[in-house]
Amino acid sequence: QVHLVQSGPEVRKPGASVKISCKASGNTFTGYYMNWVRQAPGHGLEWMGRINPSGSSTSYAQNFQGRVTMTRDTSTSTVFIEVHNLGSEDTAVYFCATKGGLDGTNYWGYWGQGTLVTVSS
Amino acid sequence: EIVMTQSPATLSVSPGERATLSCRASQNIRSSLAWYQQKPGQAPRLLIYGASTRAAGAPARFSGSGSGTEFTLTISSLQSEDFAVYYCQQYSDWPLFGQGTKLEIK
Repeated sequence: QVHLVQSGPEVRKPGASVKISCKASGNTFTGYYMNWVRQAPGHGLEWMGRINPSGSSTSYAQNFQGRVTMTRDTSTSTVFIEVHNLGSEDTAVYFCATKGGLDGTNYWGYWGQGTLVTVSS
Repeated sequence: EIVMTQSPATLSVSPGERATLSCRASQNIRSSLAWYQQKPGQAPRLLIYGASTRAAGAPARFSGSGSGTEFTLTISSLQSEDFAVYYCQQYSDWPLFGQGTKLEIK
């Protein structure tokens, strides 16, 4: 079993950055690929990217390349996503998600509770 | 780029009846398809992966079928807790979701 707990809601002004955390507990965190998915209000799900188990490699969806940074701290079983140069279109709930296994297959049985980021002047 | 299209956008079904949701991929994704259920204010819940394998904890009334480009999620006898939004997601390439089907009470 894997339990993912995310940091709390954030409010930012346009042009600012936000950093969200996702802390894992349960089985071997170091073996998991961790993904980030966001959902704008009233909209569907959008995959943002993922980070490999060691934190040495990231893959970002084309829409987010150059504007998103994913990192992880294996000592605290925590992954982070930082979104830069926020615009109103970044107002969304951000989820971390993982398959929970040692492979990188991209379907996810474990999700964080979500973090609402509001971008407003 | 693969495009995922779900239909219908909204499906109205009475409790106890069968619901059939469709998902189409713009190119062959073999069986690399997952289905999720999402209720308001909650994270998505994995129901099906590999197009037809039920995830741990998913009720037996949920079944998935299809391969290649055409996929179906069937809920055999709708319970009150099944009314939600359902998303398909391909993982043949980098992950991509369909736009969702809202299953509502008729």
